[in-house]
Parts: sequence; structure tokens; C-alpha cells
Amino acid sequence: KAGVTQTPRYLIKTRGQQVTLSCSPISGHRSVSWYQQTPGQGLQFLFEYFSETQRNKGNFPGRFSGRQFSNSRSEMNVSTLELGDSALYLCASSLEGTREKANEKLFFGSGTQLSVL
Amino acid sequence: AQSVSQHNHHVILSEAASLELGCNYSYGGTVNLFWYVQYPGQHLQLLLKYFSGDPLVKGIKGFEAEFIKSKFSFNLRKPSVQWSDTAEYFCAVWLEGNTPLVFGKGTRLSVIA
Repeated sequence: KAGVTQTPRYLIKTRGQQVTLSCSPISGHRSVSWYQQTPGQGLQFLFEYFSETQRNKGNFPGRFSGRQFSNSRSEMNVSTLELGDSALYLCASSLEGTREKANEKLFFGSGTQLSVL
Repeated sequence: AQSVSQHNHHVILSEAASLELGCNYSYGGTVNLFWYVQYPGQHLQLLLKYFSGDPLVKGIKGFEAEFIKSKFSFNLRKPSVQWSDTAEYFCAVWLEGNTPLVFGKGTRLSVIA
């Protein structure tokens, strides 16, 4: 069973540009979450999609957006890039994305390392 | 806002030493608790989780964690660490309802020979 796939693995952009990151969840998983990982700050939650709808949103500016397609694949977009957006962006998928079920847990991809120059 | 606190930013241990990494959360309701590990250059993977029942949870690679509800804690332990345990460890809490998994800032563990 394939894991969570994120593309591209690395990206280098300059300030002001925009970027789109892609995530393919594990087959059958309907919830996709995005996190930003930076040294010393851990994983900060960006947003979660379930059945093509944004179900949760973290405290990030509107430059960060996302969407989910009918096949559960998700994309994340960052517009007007800033130096501080340099980070590892992680995607995670789960079956339903709710703690109510004992077998629920997040499976993570390897991430996209974004460098903004 | 709900939060997860990991007390140690960086822990350095010698091989065979015992490990305890602290994790506290601020939420009075029902929670699921997780420890994830990120080995150098690898993706995050689940070490163990607590959903309900026995508060002492055993995970992979000899790790265990104890949920103490009265202390809002879920500390990770291992009796004897190995060099291969060098990694970053993240505690995470899943609150009730359709809420996101909230992570602590992580603890970097360095095991030296």
C-alpha cells in the first residue's frame, strides 16, 4: 500500500513568487492535513480538508490556501512568498480525521522543503 | 487555546542510559495522545498512541508512554537508548470532535557512544 506522496521534494523560489505543493494521500483516506515544520517551532497546523471541504484552519495568513479534489488529492498554495515561509511543508492523511475512532492516526509524507530567497 | 508542551528542546544521552521525555497538554476533556518520531532525513512515523484503556502504552522499538490524566501528561520513556534512537520526538494531542492534531515543538534526542 503506497504511503503519502508529496511533490516536489524540494523547491527554491524568490520573494513575491507563488508556489503550489501537491499531496496524494493513502488510498481510501479522506482527510488530508497540512503542517509547516520549522526548527524550534515544531509542526504548526495549516489546514485540513475532508471530502473536498476545508474542515479546520490554523492561524496562518490568507496567502496560504489549499484545496482537495474528488480523489482526495490535495494542493497547497502560497502566494507572495516571504523569506519566513522557508520551511518543510508536511502533508498527512487519515481515514476520517476524527479522534472518535480507535484506529485513527495520521500518516505523514516526506514533505516538500521550500526555500525562499 | 489548547497547547502541547514538551519540556526539553534538546536531550543528549549516552548509549544505554534511560530516557524520559516530558509532554503536557492543556485541555480538560477527552483526548487521544501520540508520540511521533522523525529520524534524520526521514518522514514522521508513529511511535505509540493512547486512545483509551490501560494508561501505560507500549510502542515500537521498546518505547512506552504513560498517560496521567490528573497531571495532563503523557511522558515517553525507554529504559536503555541506542545510537539509532537519535531523532526528533514530537508529542501530539487530538481533541474531541473534528479538530486537528496539535503538536508540541519537539525534542531533539542525541545519543552518543
